[in-house]
Amino acid sequence: AQSVTQLDSQVPVFEEAPVELRCNYSSSVSVYLFWYVQYPNQGLQLLLKYLSGSTLVKGINGFEAEFNKSQTSFHLRKPSVHISDTAEYFCAVRPSNFNKFYFGSGTKLNVKP
Amino acid sequence: DTAVSQTPKYLVTQMGNDKSIKCEQNLGHDTMYWYKQDSKKFLKIMFSYNNKELIINETVPNRFSPKSPDKAHLNLHINSLELGDSAVYFCASSQENYGYTFGSGTRLTVV
Repeated sequence: AQSVTQLDSQVPVFEEAPVELRCNYSSSVSVYLFWYVQYPNQGLQLLLKYLSGSTLVKGINGFEAEFNKSQTSFHLRKPSVHISDTAEYFCAVRPSNFNKFYFGSGTKLNVKP
Repeated sequence: DTAVSQTPKYLVTQMGNDKSIKCEQNLGHDTMYWYKQDSKKFLKIMFSYNNKELIINETVPNRFSPKSPDKAHLNLHINSLELGDSAVYFCASSQENYGYTFGSGTRLTVV
């Protein structure tokens, strides 16, 4: 069975500060990993994904994430956030042997001026 | 060109009514999904179709019935609507492991 845990339900941060949104997962098989962003009243948009290869993945809008297999983590980072990054962020995993995505409960990033 | 489009965007209806939500994707993806997002933003998969064939059917009341006339369309019909059905319903499509492309959602409010 798979599960995804996003440890922080809300993360307040000031503009231009760095941010890390945490994601841990559990799975009995190898997984593919994803981060999605949801702006208010919109659908989810893919930020980045890890399928294989380099464990550091770069995505859109200056975000990056690092896959750590030993810690079963896939934390999302941005060195300097903008007001426009205020949104809900979802971590998701997909087992390598089945096309079904499991989502975390989301982290609300609130960027303050 | 909208990749995954859902209609309607908003739906307000009374308890006991029957309603449908439509979804279409023009990405050529083989797999389509319906997700429900509750008031706490939790996303729960409901159904998944691959080339018109049902492959995922989670524990969902049988008042919910998906229909896929072709691989570009996946509609959701809901009978006898209840207050607890109020949520945002997202359609998505995917091709292998490229991640989902989501529609913009249908906000269903049952009064």
